[in-house]
Amino acid sequence: GQQVMQIPQYQHVQEGEDFTTYCNSSTTLSNIQWYKQRPGGHPVFLIQLVKSGEVKKQKRLTFQFGEAKKNSSLHITATQTTDVGTYFCAGRRDTGNQFYFGTGTSLTVIP
Amino acid sequence: DTEVTQTPKHLVMGMTNKKSLKCEQHMGHRAMYWYKQKAKKPPELMFVYSYEKLSINESVPSRFSPECPNSSLLNLHLHALQPEDSALYLCASSQVLQIYTEAFFGQGTRLTVV
Repeated sequence: GQQVMQIPQYQHVQEGEDFTTYCNSSTTLSNIQWYKQRPGGHPVFLIQLVKSGEVKKQKRLTFQFGEAKKNSSLHITATQTTDVGTYFCAGRRDTGNQFYFGTGTSLTVIP
Repeated sequence: DTEVTQTPKHLVMGMTNKKSLKCEQHMGHRAMYWYKQKAKKPPELMFVYSYEKLSINESVPSRFSPECPNSSLLNLHLHALQPEDSALYLCASSQVLQIYTEAFFGQGTRLTVV
């Protein structure tokens, strides 16, 4: 099956510090999605990237899709306690509807 | 309405029981998914339905039997499960094969097999 790895697995930051999670696929992706899952919750869609080299911003969150469409990153500027949760990338192949989740990065923000 | 509703929220079942998980959406999505999520792990794809037909089965054991009776409903029938099948079962839906497509997830059914 498709391998989508994320690093780091866990990250603890002081409130106000920046945070980045990296997503790497073993195969080329048609697009990549990012989800956030709060403790005890379900995955919530954040954004989708489709084009090679694409960069999108949502307030303090910046998402990038690599030129080769095999990797992606999520960067949060000046973290807040509301950013706590696990961030998953999910890659979709060129064919089919299915998308496969990365291993996830669990973010803890220390007030 | 951007909700995916899953019932029940919690389920405890014995290894000889038969139970069903239900999922409903009214967003007109024609792709629906079942994922299984163990604690501190990512969701694992189990099944994908497109236009009410099973398009993907990720080698899931036959004790899990999906069903899509119409475009709004998705069921997962459970029979003779094992304790290691205890997990959060997530249903999701999306448009079919659109370039920009987001998946909407239900809140999940937390299943415990005893």
